Amino acid sequence: DADVTQTPRNRITKTGKRIMLECSQTKGHDRMYWYRQDPGLGLRLIYYSFDVKDINKGEISDGYSVSRQAQAKFSLSLESAIPNQTALYFCATRGGTSGGPEQFFGPGTRLTVL
Amino acid sequence: AQSVTQLGSHVSVSEGALVLLRCNYSSSVPPYLFWYVQYPNQGLQLLLKYTTGATLVKGINGFEAEFKKSETSFHLTKPSAHMSDAAEYFCAVSDRGYSTLTFGKGTMLLVSP
Repeated sequence: DADVTQTPRNRITKTGKRIMLECSQTKGHDRMYWYRQDPGLGLRLIYYSFDVKDINKGEISDGYSVSRQAQAKFSLSLESAIPNQTALYFCATRGGTSGGPEQFFGPGTRLTVL
Repeated sequence: AQSVTQLGSHVSVSEGALVLLRCNYSSSVPPYLFWYVQYPNQGLQLLLKYTTGATLVKGINGFEAEFKKSETSFHLTKPSAHMSDAAEYFCAVSDRGYSTLTFGKGTMLLVSP
């Protein structure tokens, strides 16, 4: 089984709809991240969390919110989806201070907003 | 603030030729540096990383990268390209104090027979 899972893998929705993307991990990592990937722009950080009580905005947090329901679960919500939020979304994890500096990525969720 | 510049959005090589993907970074403190690979319809996979110590870092699938502080570079190389190397490659930098990654815009590697 994959260490970092994302659901759904693909989602098509309409402008104005609320949508939630979910991420779960079995790596036991404290730190979790949400990125979006757009062609030619690389990956940009939306939100990150160092533990259940710690949520931080990233580079492009406007229009998004997150919830860290447990150490292993980190959800990304679009309260009112708009077409320019069409992108590939990745969740990632990293160990705490005792872990290595690298992040481990899920398989991604492809979101299309019509 | 950190930043990463990857020269060339697309690089084309022939099978068996040298692969060179360029990455320059900007960081106010000694960085952690990474190369990730993304195969079609997949997530990102770590190829290699530089933290401290030896500046020539070896990764998976025959790739290696050299940290050159004076040039603020971390170029990725492979002596002989294989068709299976066709993918998008991302360079990333992490400030040791903040645990976030800043990615370059990516370089698509195309390998022709």
